Amino acid sequence: GDSVTQMEGPVTLSEEAFLTINCTYTATGYPSLFWYVQYPGEGLQLLLKATKADDKGSNKGFEATYRKETTSFHLEKGSVQVSDSAVYFCALSDPGGGADGLTFGKGTHLIIQP
Amino acid sequence: NAGVTQTPKFQVLKTGQSMTLQCAQDMNHNSMYWYRQDPGMGLRLIYYSASEGTTDKGEVPNGYNVSRLNKREFSLRLESAAPSQTSVYFCASSERGSSGNTIYFGEGSWLTVV
Repeated sequence: GDSVTQMEGPVTLSEEAFLTINCTYTATGYPSLFWYVQYPGEGLQLLLKATKADDKGSNKGFEATYRKETTSFHLEKGSVQVSDSAVYFCALSDPGGGADGLTFGKGTHLIIQP
Repeated sequence: NAGVTQTPKFQVLKTGQSMTLQCAQDMNHNSMYWYRQDPGMGLRLIYYSASEGTTDKGEVPNGYNVSRLNKREFSLRLESAAPSQTSVYFCASSERGSSGNTIYFGEGSWLTVV
């Protein structure tokens, strides 16, 4: 079945550091890929997405490129801020996988220190 | 702009009690979902509904029932609560399935079964 693997953390960085959160996936079809962010006590919000190979999703300084050859969708940001502290989820949707809905990774807790 | 609204936000149940989590969306979306979130497990799909009048099982449906009351509302029922159902529950919706489409999440319902 479909699966998403991401580094679990917690990942602790200093403000203005470069961020990479790795995400790899397994899917039976041609999935769409997503990054969601969850701030404390809140639901998940879409951060960015890519629907086909080589697409780059970007939002709020975050970027991720859909790499079919390495089945990866790594999240990057050039200079993180304290306000970026949150839990980040990589996810996929796979119409060839049968069920509707997203398959999520376990989440990466990001802590940014001033 | 309410988006996805779920109630209650917090609930404590005794083992064996029943309860219903309510969810409504005001975005005229066709697809609705119920997920549970557990530490170290990410989010897992319980049930989904592709359209009014249809429901399908997700990854972890045992112990739950759902009703798609109309296009706006999708409820989740625990008939006989168990401690293993202690979790955070999220309702979500999308315009038409998850493939390439953004899924919008509610703020979550914290359920404790004692």
